[in-house]
Amino acid sequence: VQLQESGPGLVKPSETLSLTCTVSGYDIGSGGYHWGWIRQPPGKGLEWIGNIFHSGATYFTPSLKSRVTISLDTSKNQFSLKLSSVTAADTAVYYCARDAPYGGNTGTDYWGQGTLVTVSS
Amino acid sequence: DIQMTQSPSSLSASVGDRVTITCRASQSITNYLSWYQQKPGKAPKLLIYAASTLQSGVPSRFSGGGSGTDFTLTISSLQPEDFATYYCQQSYSSPRYSFGQGTKLEIK
Repeated sequence: VQLQESGPGLVKPSETLSLTCTVSGYDIGSGGYHWGWIRQPPGKGLEWIGNIFHSGATYFTPSLKSRVTISLDTSKNQFSLKLSSVTAADTAVYYCARDAPYGGNTGTDYWGQGTLVTVSS
Repeated sequence: DIQMTQSPSSLSASVGDRVTITCRASQSITNYLSWYQQKPGKAPKLLIYAASTLQSGVPSRFSGGGSGTDFTLTISSLQPEDFATYYCQQSYSSPRYSFGQGTKLEIK
């Protein structure tokens, strides 16, 4: 299983950050796992953003819930992140990853390499 | 929300040392706890899940323990490649997760 993030590396304040994760080696439409986004501001720790199940059900961390959208495109084997009204505090490396199945306890086992998104005018 | 607190935040040790990192949850998470290793510029790597199960390919010098609210990650004999930052993650509130703040393991 491999994951690869793609999208703009620079976003202006107040605009929407958009990233896509392309998955290979696993059919995300076949179910079984959640597909998630995690971010890491420069020099800081990991923050779980949210994830999506093959049914389209989504889950988000409360602090970002009002600004985040995660969607799935099974025809392209991709899932996407949109974060609206960004500020400099949203500058981070964004990772896509495969989370455990619902109620599962197997960890986040596959990660993309990460992509740095800078919020600046 | 379930808060995860790691200690210490940083740790200096020598090759061959035995080290233990602690992770505490703000409520019981039974054994829904994973550990990750992250090296600079790289994505995190899953080491342990279900508190004590070693991910395939991870050296046996890594071990995890604990249940309820208190957990440990132990490296029995530090190797040069083990110097990194370690994170715990709870999945008790799956599919919502949260991470500890990280423990940076440095060479003494």
